[in-house]
Amino acid sequence: DAGVIQSPRHEVTEMGQEVTLRCKPISGHNSLFWYRQTMMRGLELLIYFNNNVPIDDSGMPEDRFSAKMPNASFSTLKIQPSEPRDSAVYFCASRTGTSNTEAFFGQGTRLTVV
Amino acid sequence: DAKTTQPPSMDCAEGRAANLPCNHSTISGNEYVYWYRQIHSQGPQYIIHGLKNNETNEMASLIITEDRKSSTLILPHATLRDTAVYYCIVRVAGSSNTGKLIFGQGTTLQVKP
Repeated sequence: DAGVIQSPRHEVTEMGQEVTLRCKPISGHNSLFWYRQTMMRGLELLIYFNNNVPIDDSGMPEDRFSAKMPNASFSTLKIQPSEPRDSAVYFCASRTGTSNTEAFFGQGTRLTVV
Repeated sequence: DAKTTQPPSMDCAEGRAANLPCNHSTISGNEYVYWYRQIHSQGPQYIIHGLKNNETNEMASLIITEDRKSSTLILPHATLRDTAVYYCIVRVAGSSNTGKLIFGQGTTLQVKP
């Protein structure tokens, strides 16, 4: 398996534009997590899904952020409209449903909003 | 949710053992201790986890105190490639028991030649 795949690896966009980040979890994993990492706030959990259903989105910063998981092999994190303070590295991770298994992280998407 | 406390930074000589401490004094009986590391510009990488017994794998050893209020991650022979931020995490057990991972600030380990 190629691991968790995120795209794009880098994204530069102008303030006000819509940004969509994509994630393909490891096949067979049924839990998926989205994290954001900045120097100031470290790694923050934004949302996680279990069996394609959002379980906890309390970390989503505001209504401009939305996440979907239409099927077991794909998830998106959308920011609309984007703002400079959204600049960060966004990580996706996946895990099998058993609660004490390890999570595997993708390489991240570095987002810059100018 | 149990919180963890780690020193912000540590140094270790190449080839020596690196011992990274973590305090988790409010841990609950059914919560696991996980360790991850993040090498610069990469996604976090799982290292090891345990409940109450000591654990060892090809990467590291995890020593958990008998009262489970603290643990130590041991890298037996540190190399320059082990330079990274190391996170100690207590798995949060929610009502659905999906165990979301909440990261703290971690310990930046610098392995020096």
